[in-house]
Amino acid sequence: DSGVTQTPKHLITATGQRVTLRCSPRSGDLSVYWYQQSLDQGLQFLIQYYNGEERAKGNILERFSAQQFPDLHSELNLSSLELGDSALYFCASSSGQGSPETQYFGPGTRLLVL
Amino acid sequence: AQKVTQAQTEISVVEKEDVTLDCVYETRDTTYYLFWYKQPPSGELVFLIRRNSFDEQNEISGRYSWNFQKSTSSFNFTITASQVVDSAVYFCALNAGGTSYGKLTFGQGTILTVHP
Repeated sequence: DSGVTQTPKHLITATGQRVTLRCSPRSGDLSVYWYQQSLDQGLQFLIQYYNGEERAKGNILERFSAQQFPDLHSELNLSSLELGDSALYFCASSSGQGSPETQYFGPGTRLLVL
Repeated sequence: AQKVTQAQTEISVVEKEDVTLDCVYETRDTTYYLFWYKQPPSGELVFLIRRNSFDEQNEISGRYSWNFQKSTSSFNFTITASQVVDSAVYFCALNAGGTSYGKLTFGQGTILTVHP
């Protein structure tokens, strides 16, 4: 158990809908990262937040957005969902004290868009 | 740009065999970190090791060992006396900091199946 929690574990929704994925980092960690794992693209970095502020951005679609709240939990919002958004979404966290750091991953949220 | 290549898509071995998973990376940064993660059938990503670009010492942890060779830009992972529980997808990843701060670039993964 990495100490990173993600909810929900599974999510089934329809095209055009909007969903929110939630992540709680390990105790004391200030940085949160989001990754998408799909069969065709593999593991792709989406975005990083550090202590509430966006730190780095990867291949995140404009339909996707994220934020980190004062209690350090993070949410990834996916809107206007398409079939191709079906994937495993991981959240990871690190202490935020150094660069680069080991990222510890949560169990993931498996999203299926029908 | 950063890139990680795991040329072996799938490896199948019989229990107690040794197996080496290859990882080759590309980066222009002089300071970078390399990682290995394991993804068992349950789906989570489990951290195994981190190595920085200034430390070329090989590392051994139980049945696991890692060989980092800067000259060939490789960071290979060997499992000695493999066990069925080692069956998983193994990912090599690179983080070079700088403008890519926080971003882990992953290889495509190697599916390891250990048969009893």
